[in-house]
Amino acid sequence: EAQVTQNPRYLITVTGKKLTVTCSQNMNHEYMSWYRQDPGLGLRQIYYSMNVEVTDKGDVPEGYKVSRKEKRNFPLILESPSPNQTSLYFCASSLVAAFRTDTQYFGPGTRLTVL
Amino acid sequence: GENVEQHPSTLSVQEGDSAVIKCTYSDSASNYFPWYKQELGKRPQLIIDIRSNVGEKKDQRIAVTLNKTAKHFSLHITETQPEDSAVYFCAARGLGGATNKLIFGTGTLLAVQP
Repeated sequence: EAQVTQNPRYLITVTGKKLTVTCSQNMNHEYMSWYRQDPGLGLRQIYYSMNVEVTDKGDVPEGYKVSRKEKRNFPLILESPSPNQTSLYFCASSLVAAFRTDTQYFGPGTRLTVL
Repeated sequence: GENVEQHPSTLSVQEGDSAVIKCTYSDSASNYFPWYKQELGKRPQLIIDIRSNVGEKKDQRIAVTLNKTAKHFSLHITETQPEDSAVYFCAARGLGGATNKLIFGTGTLLAVQP
């Protein structure tokens, strides 16, 4: 089954404790992206990756890191989480062909609470 | 950069009525406009999209219209049903920088009253 998976689905942590949220897709998509969703603000892009070893900042990258060592995986790293990073996080992926993109498919989401 | 405004933020309709959600975008080079539906506690899922070379697209009870001159696009849901209740997001993709960058609107909470 074609899908985007994220782990964990729920996480409660404390300020300053490093954490990683994993994202994996089995559709051989080149493009992957991380969004955060906050009430009244919609979906805002954190980081994206056009392909392996190619990553770039989105609109709200502060406090986050990513890596893209393999095509299928795109982990989101919070080196020193703070309470303002409490949010619902979504990973998404899509194909890239001839500078056109296909539909973005979203993962199930990770609800993060930083105390 | 691209900016997408979405209205209304909440919409309540009676079952069987139509619902219309409107979005405006700022980048005249935008060429792709998807709509996502997000049910409570679920992931956003694409319900319909339109590219800049067409003005309207329909899929059963949902349709999207695009006015490139005015830079706005709308989602139309006819014969609404309680299962249409969800948050709907519009998005626009520009051509500058990252070719896949989607800018999302802030969402519309649609409530269909039985």
